[in-house]
Amino acid sequence: LAKTTQPISMDSYEGQEVNITCSHNNIATNDYITWYQQFPSQGPRFIIQGYKTKVTNEVASLFIPADRKSSTLSLPRVSLSDTAVYYCLVGYLSGGYNKLIFGAGTRLAVHP
Amino acid sequence: DAGVIQSPRHEVTEMGQEVTLRCKPISGHDYLFWYRQTMMRGLELLIYFNNNVPIDDSGMPEDRFSAKMPNASFSTLKIQPSEPRDSAVYFCASSLGGPSTFGSGTRLTVV
Repeated sequence: LAKTTQPISMDSYEGQEVNITCSHNNIATNDYITWYQQFPSQGPRFIIQGYKTKVTNEVASLFIPADRKSSTLSLPRVSLSDTAVYYCLVGYLSGGYNKLIFGAGTRLAVHP
Repeated sequence: DAGVIQSPRHEVTEMGQEVTLRCKPISGHDYLFWYRQTMMRGLELLIYFNNNVPIDDSGMPEDRFSAKMPNASFSTLKIQPSEPRDSAVYFCASSLGGPSTFGSGTRLTVV
């Protein structure tokens, strides 16, 4: 069962790029890497998902090195509204969702 | 689509009472999940369904918890009898097999 390790918290300022790295040393061949964002009093919201190399959407980029033992979520030019908890999950969707474990997440605080 | 709809948003009940949480998944989604979130334990997957059939309930804490999905558009999570340690935010989520869409949650307080 792939386990993820993320920093507990990070601080940034408006307009900066934020990179959150997640370690998943035991990632399996079929595993995907998925990131969610959670605001207070709301459910987690899907941000981005990838398998290898780089994935980009309108919200973020996800960088995955060749060995796939880690991944980095990149948020360009953050604003105050990006203050949230960010979760990294590793698992394969057809193999049973019990493999998709939410860790403690990274609490990002964006300051003016 | 209105997203995943949960009710009630808040529930306060006395210890020993039965509590029923409700969820309407996104139309067409064939997976439904129930999660519990607390400060101490974070987000825990309790149970999930595929095509209305429970697939894995290994996360259900004990026999006091039960979940049903009588049709594709409705699911319930029942706690009977409730205990103070059940106080948490309960989330329902649904998906087509890919990333999940979560509801806004039900904040349960058992006093």
